[in-house]
Amino acid sequence: AQSVTQLGSHVSVSEGALVLLRCNYSSSVPPYLFWYVQYPNQGLQLLLKYTTGATLVKGINGFEAEFKKSETSFHLTKPSAHMSDAAEYFCAVSDTVLTGGGNKLTFGTGTQLKVEL
Amino acid sequence: DAGVTQSPTHLIKTRGQQVTLRCSPISGHKSVSWYQQVLGQGPQFIFQYYEKEERGRGNFPDRFSARQFPNYSSELNVNALLLGDSALYLCASSFQPGQGSSEQFFGPGTRLTVL
Repeated sequence: AQSVTQLGSHVSVSEGALVLLRCNYSSSVPPYLFWYVQYPNQGLQLLLKYTTGATLVKGINGFEAEFKKSETSFHLTKPSAHMSDAAEYFCAVSDTVLTGGGNKLTFGTGTQLKVEL
Repeated sequence: DAGVTQSPTHLIKTRGQQVTLRCSPISGHKSVSWYQQVLGQGPQFIFQYYEKEERGRGNFPDRFSARQFPNYSSELNVNALLLGDSALYLCASSFQPGQGSSEQFFGPGTRLTVL
């Protein structure tokens, strides 16, 4: 079974500083990887995804992530944090091995990002 | 275009009761998935439906059931509610399941509180 580990349940950065949120995955097949953001009392919004091809993926709001197969990692970064980036971030891997032919997302436990002035 | 919609937004029930949550997918999307997000955790997969058929089920008891209608909307039912069922229930739609790269679009969720 696929799994996702997010290191650091809480990360705090200063406004303008680099954001680095860590994600490691376990998968027996080439993975499809996703980062979602969740603002308070809202659903999940896709930031970016890796399927195939270029290992550096650019997403919305200035975020990007790099797929490193040798390290089984998909860390999320943003060069300069903004106050509006404060939210919870989830890394997820897609599993296509459902018995009925469907696919599901397996999520990490999330990282709460705090941005301070 | 409207995104994924869910109703109700909030719900309070007591132990032993039954609840029905509703979801309308994005227009043109034929697959709906349900996830449970307990406070402080990531979402956990419950069900996926496509063309009114169940395509996958997570590790949840039989008290949880779902169905999909011809217009692709979906209902999630939970019987004999337990305190531990208190969570945010998220619905996600996608054009077609079985493609791992296919993005799932999430609704705002239904917050269920069981007292």
